[in-house]
Amino acid sequence: NAGVTQTPKFQVLKTGQSMTLQCAQDMNHEYMSWYRQDPGMGLRLIHYSVGAGITDQGEVPNGYNVSRSTTEDFPLRLLSAAPSQTSVYFCASGRSESGKNIQYFGAGTRLSVL
Amino acid sequence: DAKTTQPNSMESNEEEPVHLPCNHSTISGTDYIHWYRQLPSQGPEYVIHGLTSNVNNRMASLAIAEDRKSSTLILHRATLRDAAVYYCILRPMEYGNKLVFGAGTILRVKS
Repeated sequence: NAGVTQTPKFQVLKTGQSMTLQCAQDMNHEYMSWYRQDPGMGLRLIHYSVGAGITDQGEVPNGYNVSRSTTEDFPLRLLSAAPSQTSVYFCASGRSESGKNIQYFGAGTRLSVL
Repeated sequence: DAKTTQPNSMESNEEEPVHLPCNHSTISGTDYIHWYRQLPSQGPEYVIHGLTSNVNNRMASLAIAEDRKSSTLILHRATLRDAAVYYCILRPMEYGNKLVFGAGTILRVKS
């Protein structure tokens, strides 16, 4: 079972470059989200989606864009990378936004911005 | 959002039970109590969750206080593989889409 798949696993960018972090899930989940985790800290929500065509901002959305054209995919775009975006990024999915549902996480993308 | 309080770190011996506490004195009646853990260099993984009654699964048990202001995650026999950061998280029944992660408890397991 693939679950939540994130690519790439590692990425190094120069300041000002753009890139897209990919996230795909094969569980037909409505809800998907992106988090970032800085060293020694808990995860912080960037953006989330409750279904195809519907996205909303989380706690730290600045500098990131998302779209949800299919149920399976939820890419995260960095428009102009900054050193402050150096972090580990996790994608998660869940059956719905209800608090009783479990969320499943990917293995993460480790991003360094020089 | 209701807040949770956990000890920064705990230590356990291998093969012994571990009780990880979590205080959530401002919990509302419709908040689910979730526990996730994060092994080194991995994404968080679900451990267990409950609303009012104690819960058991193959990984752990969750004991919820009668007033729901605290809960305890119980690992019945800790192994080295259980060394991780454990997060106690409250999620509203409706619109509980945002997992709000605190710093969690670092569990160290000694062989």
